[in-house]
Amino acid sequence: KAGVTQTPRYLIKTRGQQVTLSCSPISGHRSVSWYQQTPGQGLQFLFEYFSETQRNKGNFPGRFSGRQFSNSRSEMNVSTLELGDSALYLCASSLGTTSGNTIYFGEGSWLTVV
Amino acid sequence: AQSVTQPDIHITVSEGASLELRCNYSYGATPYLFWYVQSPGQGLQLLLKYFSGDTLVQGIKGFEAEFKRSQSSFNLRKPSVHWSDAAEYFCAVYTGKLIFGQGTTLQVKP
Repeated sequence: KAGVTQTPRYLIKTRGQQVTLSCSPISGHRSVSWYQQTPGQGLQFLFEYFSETQRNKGNFPGRFSGRQFSNSRSEMNVSTLELGDSALYLCASSLGTTSGNTIYFGEGSWLTVV
Repeated sequence: AQSVTQPDIHITVSEGASLELRCNYSYGATPYLFWYVQSPGQGLQLLLKYFSGDTLVQGIKGFEAEFKRSQSSFNLRKPSVHWSDAAEYFCAVYTGKLIFGQGTTLQVKP
């Protein structure tokens, strides 16, 4: 069974540009969450999507957005990139049906903003 | 406020020695607790989880963790550490989202 797949794995963008990251969850999983990891702030929750609806949102500016498709694949977008957006962006998937569902992570997308 | 504290930022143990990584959480309801491990440049791998029932849970790679409600702790243990265990370890509590501790970096001496 394939795990959580994230693309691209590495990318470099310029300040002011926008970026789109993609995540394919484990087959059968309907919940996809996104986390940002930085050395200074650690792991922080961005948002969660379940059945194409945003179910939960973290404390990030509106430049960070996401969506989920009918096949549960998800994308997150960051507009008007800032240097501080350089981070590892992790996608996680779960069944999403109860609080007790196991949550699995992908390998992440490394974003560098220059 | 909901939070997770990992008091030890960095731990060094000798190969073959036992290991205990500490985790304390603050959450008013029944906690769903996780331990993840992250190797350099990689994502998070699930080691084990506690949802309910037996307070001693077994995970992969020989790890175990004990949930102690009275101490709000969920410490990770391994009887004998291998060099390949060197990595960063994260404790997390699920509150509708995962709240992570700051992580503990494990170094293993030969």
